[in-house]
Amino acid sequence: AAGVIQSPRHLIKEKRETATLKCYPIPRHDTVYWYQQGPGQDPQFLISFYEKMQSDKGSIPDRFSAQQFSDYHSELNMSSLELGDSALYFCASSSTSPSGAYNEQFFGPGTRLTVL
Amino acid sequence: GESVGLHLPTLSVQEGDNSIINCAYSNSASDYFIWYKQESGKGPQFIIDIRSNMDKRQGQRVTVLLNKTVKHLSLQIAATQPGDSAVYFCAERGFGNEKLTFGTGTRLTIIP
Repeated sequence: AAGVIQSPRHLIKEKRETATLKCYPIPRHDTVYWYQQGPGQDPQFLISFYEKMQSDKGSIPDRFSAQQFSDYHSELNMSSLELGDSALYFCASSSTSPSGAYNEQFFGPGTRLTVL
Repeated sequence: GESVGLHLPTLSVQEGDNSIINCAYSNSASDYFIWYKQESGKGPQFIIDIRSNMDKRQGQRVTVLLNKTVKHLSLQIAATQPGDSAVYFCAERGFGNEKLTFGTGTRLTIIP
């Protein structure tokens, strides 16, 4: 079965540079979520999109922005990178049930960002 | 891959024994709870979930218990196997709110 695809898997940047992470959800999934996981930390919710519109926002720095495109893939743009941005960035996708049932979030393998 | 959870609580269990991983959640309005397994270098993988109107749910070799009075969640893994070694996270969600709030993970190590 198709899974969530993230690219790149590893990324090394210098301070003050920019980075773009990409997420390709499972086919027919309409919702994408971004999470950040620092070393020894639990994943922290950043932002989510439903049908190309931002649906929720968490602890995402102003230096970061994201969007979901017409083909449902999403990109997380990170500018003025800081050492503290080094982390695993996960994308998850789900399909929304009209009944409001809870739909499982399927996680991608993550992008490991290292800021030097 | 590089491991996560370098400073997480740890639990070591002999292969074949049962293990219990505990989690305290903070939001009494949370309506849905999930346990995830995360292996080194991989994303969280769904194990089992439970709605707030239940106090127990069983899957294959796993059982989740929910105590809303004390806001406590537990994951029981029966007859542990080496492949169960991973970091386990509980996560909660509010009704109609799809973002997940993760609890502190626990690193489970199965001793052969």
